[in-house]
Amino acid sequence: QSALTQPASVSGSPGQSITISCTGTSSDVGRYNYVSWYQQHPGKAPKLMIYEVSNRPSGVSNRFSGSKSGNTASLTISGLQAEDEADYYCSSYASSSTVVFGGGTKLTVL
Amino acid sequence: EVQLVESGGGLVQPGGSLRLSCAASGFTFSSYWMHWVRQAPGKGLVWVSRINSDGSSTSYADSVKGRFTISRDNAKNTLYLQMNSLRAEDTAVYYCARDLAVAGRGYFDLWGRGTLVTVSS
Repeated sequence: QSALTQPASVSGSPGQSITISCTGTSSDVGRYNYVSWYQQHPGKAPKLMIYEVSNRPSGVSNRFSGSKSGNTASLTISGLQAEDEADYYCSSYASSSTVVFGGGTKLTVL
Repeated sequence: EVQLVESGGGLVQPGGSLRLSCAASGFTFSSYWMHWVRQAPGKGLVWVSRINSDGSSTSYADSVKGRFTISRDNAKNTLYLQMNSLRAEDTAVYYCARDLAVAGRGYFDLWGRGTLVTVSS
């Protein structure tokens, strides 16, 4: 149950696009299409942004998109806005019906 | 209102026990798999445990296996986490979370506000 690997931080200017990677193994990200992404603002509970690799829950902006290739999943945010500044976490279903999270990525909007 | 409300956190000595509760409202609790996720101060999210909709199946992270027990009472719309043999490294905000997927794929679409557990002498 090792954590998925995410960059510690990424940044971008308003209007730009950024991509956050999430690297796992053949036992989690590479084996299952059960990857999700969460946004967490300071002092708040996380919010589901993407599930099943690329699906957006109702109410989530279409500026958020997800993809996967091999053992690596990615979250892309286009048209960056100030309110997108937050911590982002990926997670994946893993063997033995467990779930593993990434270490988190702090997004700074310059 | 659809919501989850955790309670039961607090200060406990190493080796002690605590039981967390998560009260669900506004949705059919008995239809959903549920999870506990924790977050140490200033750190990332860590999955702790999950239980299926009728309580017959559970899973745990290696770090809590044998010490923590997840359970639920569908008649009371409540999820529980019994935590025994607590260690300093268990200090965290504990969130309960609802799984969007029918078979518990780990899509947490509803979260509580969390309850803080501090393990210290």
